[in-house]
Amino acid sequence: NAGVTQTPKFQVLKTGQSMTLQCAQDMNHNSMYWYRQDPGMGLRLIYYSASEGTTDKGEVPNGYNVSRLNKREFSLRLESAAPSQTSVYFCASSEDWSSYNEQFFGPGTRLTVL
Amino acid sequence: KQEVTQIPAALSVPEGENLVLNCSFTDSAIYNLQWFRQDPGKGLTSLLLIQSSQREQTSGRLNASLDKSSGRSTLYIAASQPGDSATYLCAVDGSSNTGKLIFGQGTTLQVKP
Repeated sequence: NAGVTQTPKFQVLKTGQSMTLQCAQDMNHNSMYWYRQDPGMGLRLIYYSASEGTTDKGEVPNGYNVSRLNKREFSLRLESAAPSQTSVYFCASSEDWSSYNEQFFGPGTRLTVL
Repeated sequence: KQEVTQIPAALSVPEGENLVLNCSFTDSAIYNLQWFRQDPGKGLTSLLLIQSSQREQTSGRLNASLDKSSGRSTLYIAASQPGDSATYLCAVDGSSNTGKLIFGQGTTLQVKP
């Protein structure tokens, strides 16, 4: 089992460019999440998908869109990147959204927006 | 709004010492609390998950406790080793029970040989 995988590992964008961060899990989990981690701010939830076919906003959704492509894959899109979106992005998954299930995290994507 | 605080931000101890990491939260209406470990440049690894109805969970040298009424959790690490050096994060699943975790900023632990 690879667990949660993320691509790319690193990315540099110019202001205004767009890109999609990819996430996939092979644990047959129903719920998936996107977080960003910034120094001094901790991890903050951007969007989540409680189950295939559903998505919802988290704490900091502005400037992002998501797609739950199928049960395995959950992508995060930046339509017009801004320097404020420079961050480390983590994808996570859990068996479902209930309180009994821990979240498993991917290795992260380090994004720099110039 | 739920807020999670971890104090201290950094901790340095000699190898072999028993230590306690602290986590506090402002709203006691939580469904669970998780402790994670993060190594530099890496993702998060789940260590322990405590349900709101539980008082503690143990895994090897780690023991996590939860006191909902006081809004506090502690992670106890016994007989610390240099390999325990990492950042430890706590996160709460708030009252919405949606799996939406709210994280503290972490405690960076250094265990010196």
